[in-house]
Amino acid sequence: DAGVTQSPTHLIKTRGQHVTLRCSPISGHKSVSWYQQVLGQGPQFIFQYYEKEERGRGNFPDRFSARQFPNYSSELNVNALLLGDSALYLCASSLASWANYGYTFGSGTRLTVV
Amino acid sequence: QKEVEQNSGPLSVPEGAIASLNCTYSDRGSQSFFWYRQYSGKSPELIMFIYSNGDKEDGRFTAQLNKASQYVSLLIRDSQPSDSATYLCAGGDSNYQLIWGAGTKLIIKP
Repeated sequence: DAGVTQSPTHLIKTRGQHVTLRCSPISGHKSVSWYQQVLGQGPQFIFQYYEKEERGRGNFPDRFSARQFPNYSSELNVNALLLGDSALYLCASSLASWANYGYTFGSGTRLTVV
Repeated sequence: QKEVEQNSGPLSVPEGAIASLNCTYSDRGSQSFFWYRQYSGKSPELIMFIYSNGDKEDGRFTAQLNKASQYVSLLIRDSQPSDSATYLCAGGDSNYQLIWGAGTKLIIKP
């Protein structure tokens, strides 16, 4: 069985540009969460989607948006990129919306903003 | 502000010894706790989760939860060099998110 797949694996963008990151959850998982991890820190929660509805939003600016599609895959969009957006972006899937089942993470997208 | 705190380390442990990793949390509403292992440049990998007070054992790993003290720990017995990684503690809250610590870097010395 395929795990959580993310694309692209690496990305270099210029300040002010827009980026779209993609994630496909484990088959049968209906919940997708997005996290940002800066080097040396723990992941920071950005969004959670369950059954195509937003269930949670972290403390990120409106430049960050996301959606979940009928097949449960998800996109994270970031507008007007800043240097501080450079990070590892992690997608995690789980069976249920609540965190008591644990998450399985994809390998991440390494975003570098120059 | 909900927080999960961990000692950043590095924690150096001889091979074959017990490694003890600790975590405290501020949100009394957190009900589930997770330990993830993260190798450098890789994504976090779930090691264990615990939601009841007491101990939970899985192979060489034991998670301990004390809700009264708001304290979570992970013990790794018979530590191996392959256990060298950063260990992240996270608490699950009622708002569908995990609150993460910054991680403890563990080094197992052969």
